Amino acid sequence: QQQVKQSPQSLIVQKGGISIINCAYENTAFDYFPWYQQFPGKGPALLIAIRPDVSEKKEGRFTISFNKSAKQFSLHIMDSQPGDSATYFCAATFTKAAGNKLTFGGGTRVLVKP
Amino acid sequence: DVKVTQSSRYLVKRTGEKVFLECVQDMDHENMFWYRQDPGLGLRLIYFSYDVKMKEKGDIPEGYSVSREKKERFSLILESASTNQTSMYLCASSGDRGYGYTFGSGTRLTVV
Repeated sequence: QQQVKQSPQSLIVQKGGISIINCAYENTAFDYFPWYQQFPGKGPALLIAIRPDVSEKKEGRFTISFNKSAKQFSLHIMDSQPGDSATYFCAATFTKAAGNKLTFGGGTRVLVKP
Repeated sequence: DVKVTQSSRYLVKRTGEKVFLECVQDMDHENMFWYRQDPGLGLRLIYFSYDVKMKEKGDIPEGYSVSREKKERFSLILESASTNQTSMYLCASSGDRGYGYTFGSGTRLTVV
Protein backbone atom coordinates (compact mmCIF):
# COMPACT_ATOMS: atom_id res chain seq x y z
CA GLN A 1 0.00 0.00 0.00
CA GLN A 2 1.13 3.55 -0.63
CA GLN A 3 1.81 5.19 2.71
CA VAL A 4 2.49 8.62 1.23
CA LYS A 5 0.08 9.89 -1.41
CA GLN A 6 1.10 12.84 -3.55
CA SER A 7 -0.96 15.05 -5.84
CA PRO A 8 -1.16 16.25 -8.51
CA GLN A 9 0.89 14.01 -10.78
CA SER A 10 1.75 17.00 -12.93
CA LEU A 11 1.12 20.70 -13.07
CA ILE A 12 1.85 23.59 -15.36
CA VAL A 13 2.32 27.09 -13.97
CA GLN A 14 3.22 30.39 -15.53
CA LYS A 15 6.45 32.12 -14.59
CA GLY A 16 5.86 34.11 -11.43
CA GLY A 17 2.96 31.94 -10.31
CA ILE A 18 2.64 29.66 -7.29
CA SER A 19 3.09 25.91 -7.54
CA ILE A 20 1.39 23.84 -4.85
CA ILE A 21 1.99 20.13 -4.30
CA ASN A 22 0.14 18.16 -1.65
CA CYS A 23 1.00 15.01 0.26
CA ALA A 24 -0.90 12.89 2.76
CA TYR A 25 0.53 10.19 4.97
CA GLU A 26 -0.93 7.35 7.00
CA ASN A 27 1.72 6.34 9.51
CA THR A 28 1.49 8.57 12.59
CA ALA A 29 4.97 7.43 13.65
CA PHE A 30 6.53 9.44 10.82
CA ASP A 31 8.50 12.34 12.29
CA TYR A 32 10.53 13.81 9.43
CA PHE A 33 9.14 15.03 6.12
CA PRO A 34 11.58 16.05 3.37
CA TRP A 35 10.98 17.18 -0.17
CA TYR A 36 13.27 16.21 -3.02
CA GLN A 37 13.78 17.87 -6.38
CA GLN A 38 14.86 15.86 -9.43
CA PHE A 39 16.04 17.22 -12.76
CA PRO A 40 16.11 14.98 -15.86
CA GLY A 41 19.11 12.67 -15.87
CA LYS A 42 19.91 13.35 -12.23
CA GLY A 43 19.15 11.72 -8.93
CA PRO A 44 16.77 13.48 -6.51
CA ALA A 45 18.32 16.13 -4.27
CA LEU A 46 17.09 17.27 -0.86
CA LEU A 47 15.23 20.57 -1.20
CA ILE A 48 13.66 21.32 2.18
CA ALA A 49 12.42 19.34 5.17
CA ILE A 50 10.17 19.76 8.20
CA ARG A 51 9.48 18.09 11.52
CA PRO A 52 5.91 17.82 12.88
CA ASP A 53 6.56 20.18 15.80
CA VAL A 54 6.33 23.19 13.44
CA SER A 55 3.52 24.12 11.06
CA GLU A 56 5.57 25.91 8.45
CA LYS A 57 9.14 26.16 7.19
CA LYS A 58 10.39 28.57 4.58
CA GLU A 59 13.63 28.55 2.62
CA GLY A 60 13.80 31.20 -0.06
CA ARG A 61 10.90 30.70 -2.46
CA PHE A 62 10.09 27.24 -1.08
CA THR A 63 7.70 26.74 1.84
CA ILE A 64 6.46 23.59 3.53
CA SER A 65 3.11 23.76 5.32
CA PHE A 66 2.38 20.95 7.77
CA ASN A 67 -0.96 19.91 9.26
CA LYS A 68 -0.37 17.20 11.83
CA SER A 69 -4.03 16.58 12.68
CA ALA A 70 -4.94 16.08 9.03
CA LYS A 71 -1.73 14.12 8.33
CA GLN A 72 -1.01 16.34 5.37
CA PHE A 73 1.85 18.52 4.21
CA SER A 74 2.41 20.60 1.14
CA LEU A 75 5.14 22.35 -0.82
CA HIS A 76 4.58 25.86 -2.12
CA ILE A 77 6.91 27.30 -4.74
CA MET A 78 6.47 31.05 -4.81
CA ASP A 79 7.37 33.16 -7.85
CA SER A 80 7.94 30.00 -9.89
CA GLN A 81 10.79 30.17 -12.40
CA PRO A 82 11.53 28.07 -15.50
CA GLY A 83 14.54 26.68 -13.64
CA ASP A 84 12.12 25.16 -11.10
CA SER A 85 10.81 22.81 -13.80
CA ALA A 86 11.54 19.40 -12.31
CA THR A 87 9.93 16.44 -10.62
CA TYR A 88 9.24 16.89 -6.92
CA PHE A 89 8.87 14.08 -4.41
CA CYS A 90 7.57 14.29 -0.88
CA ALA A 91 8.78 11.71 1.60
CA ALA A 92 8.43 10.65 5.21
CA THR A 93 10.37 8.61 7.72
CA PHE A 94 10.42 7.46 11.32
CA THR A 95 13.84 8.63 12.43
CA LYS A 96 14.18 6.27 15.39
CA ALA A 97 14.05 3.20 13.16
CA ALA A 98 17.33 1.70 12.00
CA GLY A 99 18.45 3.02 8.64
CA ASN A 100 16.12 6.06 8.50
CA LYS A 101 14.49 4.69 5.37
CA LEU A 102 12.32 7.14 3.49
CA THR A 103 8.89 6.40 2.04
CA PHE A 104 8.29 8.51 -1.06
CA GLY A 105 5.19 9.86 -2.72
CA GLY A 106 4.51 9.22 -6.39
CA GLY A 107 6.09 12.46 -7.60
CA THR A 108 4.83 15.63 -9.29
CA ARG A 109 6.21 16.85 -12.57
CA VAL A 110 6.22 20.65 -12.56
CA LEU A 111 6.56 22.68 -15.74
CA VAL A 112 7.02 26.42 -15.42
CA LYS A 113 6.21 28.26 -18.64
CA PRO A 114 8.12 31.45 -19.39
CA ASP B 1 32.01 17.35 -3.19
CA VAL B 2 30.31 14.33 -1.69
CA LYS B 3 29.30 11.66 -4.10
CA VAL B 4 27.29 8.55 -4.67
CA THR B 5 28.50 6.90 -7.84
CA GLN B 6 26.58 4.29 -9.78
CA SER B 7 28.74 2.28 -12.13
CA SER B 8 26.52 2.46 -15.22
CA ARG B 9 24.11 5.06 -16.55
CA TYR B 10 22.49 2.72 -19.07
CA LEU B 11 22.34 -1.05 -19.24
CA VAL B 12 20.61 -3.43 -21.62
CA LYS B 13 20.35 -7.03 -20.50
CA ARG B 14 18.59 -10.14 -21.74
CA THR B 15 15.84 -11.97 -19.89
CA GLY B 16 17.30 -14.53 -17.53
CA GLU B 17 20.69 -12.86 -17.17
CA LYS B 18 22.19 -12.20 -13.75
CA VAL B 19 22.66 -8.45 -13.41
CA PHE B 20 24.86 -6.53 -11.00
CA LEU B 21 24.32 -2.85 -10.25
CA GLU B 22 27.13 -1.24 -8.28
CA CYS B 23 27.03 1.78 -6.01
CA VAL B 24 29.89 3.48 -4.17
CA GLN B 25 29.74 6.39 -1.72
CA ASP B 26 32.64 8.45 -0.41
CA MET B 27 30.95 10.02 2.62
CA ASP B 28 31.54 7.24 5.18
CA HIS B 29 27.76 6.90 5.49
CA GLU B 30 26.33 4.04 7.52
CA ASN B 31 23.10 3.65 5.57
CA MET B 32 22.72 2.75 1.91
CA PHE B 33 19.60 2.17 -0.14
CA TRP B 34 18.40 0.87 -3.47
CA TYR B 35 15.22 2.30 -4.98
CA ARG B 36 13.55 1.81 -8.31
CA GLN B 37 11.76 4.70 -9.97
CA ASP B 38 8.77 4.17 -12.24
CA PRO B 39 6.41 6.83 -13.64
CA GLY B 40 3.47 7.48 -11.33
CA LEU B 41 4.82 5.12 -8.67
CA GLY B 42 7.55 7.36 -7.32
CA LEU B 43 10.54 5.77 -5.66
CA ARG B 44 10.03 2.34 -4.15
CA LEU B 45 12.52 0.85 -1.74
CA ILE B 46 14.01 -2.48 -2.77
CA TYR B 47 16.61 -3.10 -0.06
CA PHE B 48 18.61 -1.10 2.41
CA SER B 49 21.60 -1.63 4.65
CA TYR B 50 22.45 0.18 7.89
CA ASP B 51 25.81 -1.48 8.43
CA VAL B 52 28.38 -3.62 6.67
CA LYS B 53 27.00 -7.09 5.97
CA MET B 54 23.59 -6.01 7.26
CA LYS B 55 20.64 -5.86 4.90
CA GLU B 56 16.92 -5.44 5.20
CA LYS B 57 14.13 -5.90 2.72
CA GLY B 58 12.27 -2.87 1.55
CA ASP B 59 8.82 -2.76 0.00
CA ILE B 60 9.56 -4.64 -3.24
CA PRO B 61 12.47 -7.08 -2.66
CA GLU B 62 11.16 -9.94 -4.81
CA GLY B 63 13.56 -10.85 -7.59
CA TYR B 64 16.43 -8.87 -6.07
CA SER B 65 19.25 -9.43 -3.62
CA VAL B 66 21.99 -7.18 -2.27
CA SER B 67 25.52 -7.34 -1.01
CA ARG B 68 27.44 -5.01 1.29
CA GLU B 69 30.91 -6.35 2.00
CA LYS B 70 32.48 -2.92 2.51
CA LYS B 71 31.00 0.22 4.04
CA GLU B 72 31.35 2.26 0.88
CA ARG B 73 29.89 -0.24 -1.59
CA PHE B 74 26.35 -1.56 -1.95
CA SER B 75 25.47 -3.86 -4.83
CA LEU B 76 22.05 -4.74 -6.18
CA ILE B 77 21.71 -8.13 -7.86
CA LEU B 78 18.97 -9.24 -10.19
CA GLU B 79 19.24 -13.01 -9.97
CA SER B 80 17.38 -13.67 -13.24
CA ALA B 81 16.39 -10.48 -15.01
CA SER B 82 12.84 -10.16 -16.27
CA THR B 83 11.18 -7.55 -18.46
CA ASN B 84 9.17 -6.18 -15.51
CA GLN B 85 12.47 -5.16 -13.93
CA THR B 86 13.03 -2.62 -16.67
CA SER B 87 13.29 0.59 -14.67
CA MET B 88 15.45 3.39 -13.33
CA TYR B 89 17.46 2.23 -10.33
CA LEU B 90 18.65 4.77 -7.80
CA CYS B 91 21.21 4.24 -5.06
CA ALA B 92 21.33 6.55 -2.04
CA SER B 93 23.24 6.88 1.20
CA SER B 94 22.73 8.69 4.48
CA GLY B 95 24.58 9.13 7.74
CA ASP B 96 23.19 8.33 11.17
CA ARG B 97 23.43 11.95 12.27
CA GLY B 98 21.39 13.39 9.45
CA TYR B 99 18.32 12.27 7.67
CA GLY B 100 18.93 13.60 4.19
CA TYR B 101 19.78 11.16 1.45
CA THR B 102 22.42 11.69 -1.19
CA PHE B 103 21.40 9.99 -4.41
CA GLY B 104 23.42 8.74 -7.33
CA SER B 105 22.47 9.71 -10.87
CA GLY B 106 20.71 6.43 -11.50
CA THR B 107 21.06 3.43 -13.79
CA ARG B 108 18.45 2.98 -16.47
CA LEU B 109 18.11 -0.76 -16.96
CA THR B 110 16.31 -2.25 -19.93
CA VAL B 111 15.62 -5.98 -19.94
CA VAL B 112 14.81 -7.37 -23.37
